[in-house]
Amino acid sequence: GAVVSQHPSWVICKSGTSVKIECRSLDFQATTMFWYRQFPKQSLMLMATSNEGSKATYEQGVEKDKFLINHASLTLSTLTVTSAHPEDSSFYICSAREGHTQNNEQFFGPGTRLTVL
Amino acid sequence: QKEVEQNSGPLSVPEGAIASLNCTYSDRGSQSFFWYRQYSGKSPELIMFIYSNGDKEDGRFTAQLNKASQYVSLLIRDSQPSDSATYLCAVNPKTSYDKVIFGPGTSLSVIP
Repeated sequence: GAVVSQHPSWVICKSGTSVKIECRSLDFQATTMFWYRQFPKQSLMLMATSNEGSKATYEQGVEKDKFLINHASLTLSTLTVTSAHPEDSSFYICSAREGHTQNNEQFFGPGTRLTVL
Repeated sequence: QKEVEQNSGPLSVPEGAIASLNCTYSDRGSQSFFWYRQYSGKSPELIMFIYSNGDKEDGRFTAQLNKASQYVSLLIRDSQPSDSATYLCAVNPKTSYDKVIFGPGTSLSVIP
């Protein structure tokens, strides 16, 4: 159980275009989903926290108008990178949490590698 | 001071030895603690979580938590080459129940 999928697994796009990444919890309802970004040889950096039906909470330094997050249902959250530029090239990973568990465990998707030319 | 700190490594151990990975955190009221393993190019996978002082064992893995010292560790017994990966410590701070803060990770290499 507790499987999280992401689509696409990789994407290459031209500078200035927008890219949408989907994150789905396959066998549980995710009240909270998280979006992370990871640059090579660095740790995960939390970008934003999204709760179903409400606006995402962005971490300091993350542009909410550039990284649009929608959490329309308990099993789906999307991240749209608008007007992507080469510096946005990174490994984007989502995670999901089921309800309010005691241990606050997060289940990670397989990640999406974005390359902006 | 960074919220979660780990030695970046690389840590090299021979096959069959015990690998010891350490993590310290700054928020004394932190609630839960996690160890994730991340292979190159892949997303993290949860190895263990711990939220009470003491030891917690799961197969070859033992997590140790000392809240007074703000220290959590992961021991890997009988290390295997397949254990070679980056190990991420993550902490659920008191200041924000919703999220976890990741450490920079320790690279482990198990030499056959």
